[in-house]
Amino acid sequence: AQSVTQLDSHVSVSEGTPVLLRCNYSSSYSPSLFWYVQHPNKGLQLLLKYTSAATLVKGINGFEAEFKKSETSFHLTKPSAHMSDAAEYFCVVSDQRYSSASKIIFGSGTRLSIRP
Amino acid sequence: ETGVTQSPTHLIKTRGQQVTLRCSSQSGHNTVSWYQQALGQGPQFIFQYYREEENGRGNFPPRFSGLQFPNYSSELNVNALELDDSALYLCASSLPTSGGSTDTQYFGPGTRLTVL
Repeated sequence: AQSVTQLDSHVSVSEGTPVLLRCNYSSSYSPSLFWYVQHPNKGLQLLLKYTSAATLVKGINGFEAEFKKSETSFHLTKPSAHMSDAAEYFCVVSDQRYSSASKIIFGSGTRLSIRP
Repeated sequence: ETGVTQSPTHLIKTRGQQVTLRCSSQSGHNTVSWYQQALGQGPQFIFQYYREEENGRGNFPPRFSGLQFPNYSSELNVNALELDDSALYLCASSLPTSGGSTDTQYFGPGTRLTVL
């Protein structure tokens, strides 16, 4: 069975300071891991994905995430927050098994607020 | 390249009624997944269609059903609506990796369903 846990429901940082959104996963197989962002009244947008290549993954808008198998974590970071980063962020795990329907599990989300 | 579109954007129904939601895939994508996102929660996987066949289902009752058409557009049908069906319904299209499993998903803006 697979699962994903986002450890913080709400994170608030000041503009220009680092962002850390935490995600832990559980998977019986080699997982694919994703981070999506959802701005109010907009669809989900892919930030980045990990699919068993480099463990440090760079995404759009300056975000990156590091896959740590020993810690079963895939935390999302950004060196300097911008006001436009305020949104809901979802960590997603998907088991990619040959000839099996993909099961996609979303975390419960982390709301990121940016203080001026 | 055309993105994922969904219709209608908003819908109000009463308990016991039936509803059909529609989704047009991104050009060239032959896999469609549907999700239900209740207020304040992460999206929950309903089911996935690959080349017009159901290719995986989440924990939803049979009154949630779907179709995929030869042009890869898709419908989500919900019968005997209940108050708890009120949610944002998201459609996502993708290309399969080897074996029919799923790669990165591209999401539509969603249909907000309210059941009174």
